[in-house]
Amino acid sequence: AQKITQTQPGMFVQEKEAVTLDCTYDTSDPSYGLFWYKQPSSGEMIFLIYQGSYDQQNATEGRYSLNFQKARKSANLVISASQLGDSAMYFCAMRPMDSNYQLIWGAGTKLIIKP
Amino acid sequence: GAVVSQHPSRVICKSGTSVKIECRSLDFQATTMFWYRQFPKQSLMLMATSNEGSKATYEQGVEKDKFLINHASLTLSTLTVTSAHPEDSSFYICSAPWGNTPLHFGNGTRLTVT
Repeated sequence: AQKITQTQPGMFVQEKEAVTLDCTYDTSDPSYGLFWYKQPSSGEMIFLIYQGSYDQQNATEGRYSLNFQKARKSANLVISASQLGDSAMYFCAMRPMDSNYQLIWGAGTKLIIKP
Repeated sequence: GAVVSQHPSRVICKSGTSVKIECRSLDFQATTMFWYRQFPKQSLMLMATSNEGSKATYEQGVEKDKFLINHASLTLSTLTVTSAHPEDSSFYICSAPWGNTPLHFGNGTRLTVT
C-alpha cells in the first residue's frame, strides 16, 4: 500500500538553527512526486518544495531543501536558519503515478521555533 | 500564479441547517477540485473529487447525501453540508490542480455547528 510516514509529531527548535523534518514513503510506482506543505495556525496550505522521483538533484527553494534518498525512500525537509515564522504544521505528501493529482498525506509534524 | 479562493473562511450555524462553501479558481480553469476535511491536529482527509459537468467521486465512508458537491462551471465548486450537526464541525479546505504545478489550495473554512 502507498503510504507517507512522518515520525515526528512535534519538534522544538531554537531560532536560527537548522531543522530537519523526516518523511519516508512507500510506493512501488516507478514515477511519483513528493511535496512538502506548510500549514500555519490560520489554516492555509502553503506549498514549499517538490521533488520528482527521477530528479537527479535534491530540490531547493530558498531556505528549504529536500534531502531525497531514493533507495531509502526518504524525503526529509531541511529548513536552514529557522525563523519564528516557521512555526507551523508541516505535511509531506506523495503524488503516485496516474493519480489524477490526488495526494497521499503524512500525519504532519508540528514545528515550534523558540526565540 | 494560480489562485484558489474559498468562501466563507468561518461559519457558525445552528444544528439542522445547511451550509454552503464555495471554492473558486480565479485565474485558471479547474475541471477537477478536491475537497478535504481536517480534524484538529490531524492530516487532511480527502472527502471527494469534484468533476466539472459530472457527479463527484466520494471517498469511502463519506456520505454523499450529507456532503453535496456541485461543480457547475470550470471555476466554481461548492460543498453543501446538509442538516449540519455538531459532529460536522471541522476545517474544510478545497484544492485544484493546474498544469504540472502543485495543488493550489483555498484558505479553508472553519465550520462550527452549535
